[in-house]
Amino acid sequence: DVKVTQSSRYLVKRTGEKVFLECVQDMDHENMFWYRQDPGLGLRLIYFSYDVKMKEKGDIPEGYSVSREKKERFSLILESASTNQTSMYLCASSPQYRGPKETQYFGPGTRLLVL
Amino acid sequence: GDSVTQMEGPVTLSEEAFLTINCTYTATGYPSLFWYVQYPGEGLQLLLKATKADDKGSNKGFEATYRKETTSFHLEKGSVQVSDSAVYFCALSRGSNYQLIWGAGTKLIIKP
Repeated sequence: DVKVTQSSRYLVKRTGEKVFLECVQDMDHENMFWYRQDPGLGLRLIYFSYDVKMKEKGDIPEGYSVSREKKERFSLILESASTNQTSMYLCASSPQYRGPKETQYFGPGTRLLVL
Repeated sequence: GDSVTQMEGPVTLSEEAFLTINCTYTATGYPSLFWYVQYPGEGLQLLLKATKADDKGSNKGFEATYRKETTSFHLEKGSVQVSDSAVYFCALSRGSNYQLIWGAGTKLIIKP
């Protein structure tokens, strides 16, 4: 079974702190994604990566950056956390070879509260 | 641009009732369509998918048919159980890259 793990289930940070969210997948997938999930808005893509050291902006990249130094690990960075970044953050991965038809596999999510 | 619209929730049903969750989409080209489910405290997981018009996806008693003429992909189940209580998301694939466009999600509550 594909397994996607995220470093924390719950996180509380202060405004202005730098926040790192880690995601690891164990199925050698090329693609990895970071979403945020907010009630009534569904999932919104922040960034995705289709290869090591490659990244592309999603729909809402402002205030976030990412890092992919190894194929299995994709990190989301909040450079200076703000209260409007309080949300559920979901990481996903998918294999590349069949393109857009491929299933995405999700981690359990990190619920971040910024005070 | 491409978009997905789902019926608003929560949807509350009694056990063994018939379920329909509506999903319509706007897209150029020929997207693939997906239903994902998020059980309480868990990550999203694929429930079913359809990759071309008139395809029917099915899994765990749920079904959805890709209707290009009505741009719809409604989720149905003949007899729901309490264990089906979850949030259901409709999504479509976006063009030649690997992104999905998501509906807002529909919370389903099944009462015994």
